[in-house]
Amino acid sequence: DVKVTQSSRYLVKRTGEKVFLECVQDMDHENMFWYRQDPGLGLRLIYFSYDVKMKEKGDIPEGYSVSREKKERFSLILESASTNQTSMYLCASSTFMGAAEQYFGPGTRLTVT
Amino acid sequence: AQSVTQLDSQVPVFEEAPVELRCNYSSSVSVYLFWYVQYPNQGLQLLLKYLSGSTLVKGINGFEAEFNKSQTSFHLRKPSVHISDTAEYFCAVSETVAGSSNTGKLIFGQGTTLQVKP
Repeated sequence: DVKVTQSSRYLVKRTGEKVFLECVQDMDHENMFWYRQDPGLGLRLIYFSYDVKMKEKGDIPEGYSVSREKKERFSLILESASTNQTSMYLCASSTFMGAAEQYFGPGTRLTVT
Repeated sequence: AQSVTQLDSQVPVFEEAPVELRCNYSSSVSVYLFWYVQYPNQGLQLLLKYLSGSTLVKGINGFEAEFNKSQTSFHLRKPSVHISDTAEYFCAVSETVAGSSNTGKLIFGQGTTLQVKP
């Protein structure tokens, strides 16, 4: 079974803190993605990576950065957390094909107070 | 630019009744189409996908969807729902252009919450 794991299911941080969300996949997938899920807005792509050390901005990259030092690991970084970043964060991975299914982790619900 | 519209934010239905969840997309190129399901407190999992060929696609858990190119729609159907189908459903689209930097990226709709009542 493909497995995508995320470091935390629930996280509470204070405004201004630096936050790291970690994602690991075990299927040797080239592509990895970070999404943000908010009610009524669906999933919005923050960043994606198609290879180690390669990254591209998605639709809402402001306030976020990413790191991919190893193929199986993709980290999302909130440099200075703000209350409007309170949300569900989902990581996904897929092979490098346009028709490839994306496999999702269970999500991290982040609350910034 | 691509976009996906799910026409209903919530769909309440009684158990064993049929259901249709609507999805329309816009794109200037050919697309691949997907339906994902998200059960409470879980990530998304693939229900079915349309790549090419037959316009009627069958997926897991008795769901099916029909691709209609002229109406740019990909509606999801199930003839008889169960309580366990209560979840949020997402339609998504991916471009088919080879070599595009968008390869592998999905654009998601806003989601439809299916509420199955006993």
